[in-house]
Amino acid sequence: QKEVEQDPGPLSVPEGAIVSLNCTYSNSAFQYFMWYRQYSRKGPELLMYTYSSGNKEDGRFTAQVDKSSKYISLFIRDSQPSDSATYLCAMSATRQAGTALIFGKGTTLSVSS
Amino acid sequence: EAGVTQFPSHSVIEKGQTVTLRCDPISGHDNLYWYRRVMGKEIKFLLHFVKESKQDESGMPNNRFLAERTGGTYSTLKVQPAELEDSGVYFCASSRIGGRETQYFGPGTRLLVL
Repeated sequence: QKEVEQDPGPLSVPEGAIVSLNCTYSNSAFQYFMWYRQYSRKGPELLMYTYSSGNKEDGRFTAQVDKSSKYISLFIRDSQPSDSATYLCAMSATRQAGTALIFGKGTTLSVSS
Repeated sequence: EAGVTQFPSHSVIEKGQTVTLRCDPISGHDNLYWYRRVMGKEIKFLLHFVKESKQDESGMPNNRFLAERTGGTYSTLKVQPAELEDSGVYFCASSRIGGRETQYFGPGTRLLVL
């Protein structure tokens, strides 16, 4: 069983839609959960991170963590064409320097105008 | 502040040849990481430097891969001799020492071994 599972998509939505991106994981030691956004030919860019369970909101983006189900989500409200990218979930047991991030495969999102 | 830079952006080589990838971290970032994404797979950790010292090489696939960080600034990752399965995108990331870190990624080097 892979440590992190993420549906690669692709996911296509119209502008203004609410997008839900998800990952499941198997390692109960994971405490820090991150969402990276990667545009074509660019490196991953940290979008949001959360610690342990709960929700975190930043503008149109909301990250949710349910540790009991080992399930994390990223919601994008009022999606825009500029949100078209690959979204990668990443996790770690700590956030100390030197901690290797464990990534999902990434979900490719396309928002059409 | 300049981001993490990587060179070259693309490299196409033949099996058995040698390739050297370079990473320049964000100025002042003592932590430097190498990751790799093979086609169809997730991004995977290769190794971690603190300044010039290797702290964790657990992700290095085999001894054909050699990473260095002379002087604790830029890092190189050499693959010698390259094999077909080494094809992929090699990412470098850097972060500050201390506190809760954010790893900042470079654009990656796309390596194709023919």
